[in-house]
Amino acid sequence: GQQVMQIPQYQHVQEGEDFTTYCNSSTTLSNIQWYKQRPGGHPVFLIQLVKSGEVKKQKRLTFQFGEAKKNSSLHITATQTTDVGTYFCAGGMNTGFQKLVFGTGTRLLVSP
Amino acid sequence: KAGVTQTPRYLIKTRGQQVTLSCSPISGHRSVSWYQQTPGQGLQFLFEYFSETQRNKGNFPGRFSGRQFSNSRSEMNVSTLELGDSALYLCASMVSPNTGELFFGEGSRLTVL
Repeated sequence: GQQVMQIPQYQHVQEGEDFTTYCNSSTTLSNIQWYKQRPGGHPVFLIQLVKSGEVKKQKRLTFQFGEAKKNSSLHITATQTTDVGTYFCAGGMNTGFQKLVFGTGTRLLVSP
Repeated sequence: KAGVTQTPRYLIKTRGQQVTLSCSPISGHRSVSWYQQTPGQGLQFLFEYFSETQRNKGNFPGRFSGRQFSNSRSEMNVSTLELGDSALYLCASMVSPNTGELFFGEGSRLTVL
């Protein structure tokens, strides 16, 4: 079946360190979305990438979509305690009726 | 503008019972999707509705069903509950299918004893 894997599952960093999560799909994606879920909260949309090789930045967050549209990454520069949460990628699948397949998520813990 | 509203927020059921969860999307949003979130399995897609029609269905048994009303509100039902159905059930809406971001509700946390 269609799968989207994320690594690492969990990362604990010191405040100020960088963090990267990677997302890999077994099939070519039409687009990739990223969501953040704070502990006890619900997923909140961060960004969508559509084009092959696309790179987008939001302040300290950098998102990339691979050339083959099968992988993506989220990089956070100089993490802050407010970055704590689980980051999910969600790949758009061209299944006729497009649907989003969520990655397994990366849980980020930031120590002050 | 009000967000996605899910009710109830928390509920406890016993094995064999059934449960109905409700979702009111953001005003003007006509597409509603349901997801099951568990610690081990992450976010699993259940189904998507648009204009009262199911467009997509995930790999869940027939005990899981849903519907959408003419006002875009949606319900999902789980019959003959099993312990493994304990999870956070999230509803998400968007203006129409494939239009971009999903807006999630706070979820309904179901515990099956």
